Amino acid sequence: GNSVTQMEGPVTLSEEAFLTINCTYTATGYPSLFWYVQYPGEGLQLLLKATKADDKGSNKGFEATYRKETTSFHLEKGSVQVSDSAVYFCALSDGNQFYFGTGTSLTVIP
Amino acid sequence: NAGVTQTPKFRILKIGQSMTLQCAQDMNHNYMYWYRQDPGMGLKLIYYSVGAGITDKGEVPNGYNVSRSTTEDFPLRLELAAPSQTSVYFCASSYTPGTNYGYTFGSGTRLTVV
Repeated sequence: GNSVTQMEGPVTLSEEAFLTINCTYTATGYPSLFWYVQYPGEGLQLLLKATKADDKGSNKGFEATYRKETTSFHLEKGSVQVSDSAVYFCALSDGNQFYFGTGTSLTVIP
Repeated sequence: NAGVTQTPKFRILKIGQSMTLQCAQDMNHNYMYWYRQDPGMGLKLIYYSVGAGITDKGEVPNGYNVSRSTTEDFPLRLELAAPSQTSVYFCASSYTPGTNYGYTFGSGTRLTVV
């Protein structure tokens, strides 16, 4: 079946540090891959997406590349800010429904 | 603002009570979903609907019921609340069944059953 595995959190970084949140997936066929972000007290918001192998999704300084050979979609940002503190969810879609990872909590300290 | 609206934001129920979580969207999306979010467990799909009058079970439907009488509304009903239903509930909608466009989520309902 389809599933998504994310690195365990929580993650705490200093402002301007480099961020990587690992995400790997298991799927049949050719899924689309997504990162969602959840700020405190809010619902999930789409951060970026990639719909085929080698595509790079990017938004707000975050980026992730769809790697079919390693079944991965790691989230990266070169310099995090305090305002990036949130929970990040990796997800895949098989065209019928979404499958979400367990989420990774990120706290950025000044 | 266009989007998905959930009410209430918070609720405390006693064991055995019932309640309805409301969800409304104004984007004319056909597809709507209910998820629950438990700590460390990610999101689990409870029920979904592909259009007015059509609903189907997701991964964890036991203890819940839904209806979809209009395109805009997709309420979730808890008939006999149990402590295991303590969770944060998210409603979502989409134009297509989850391919390139992603979902639009509501801000959630935090439910505690005591």
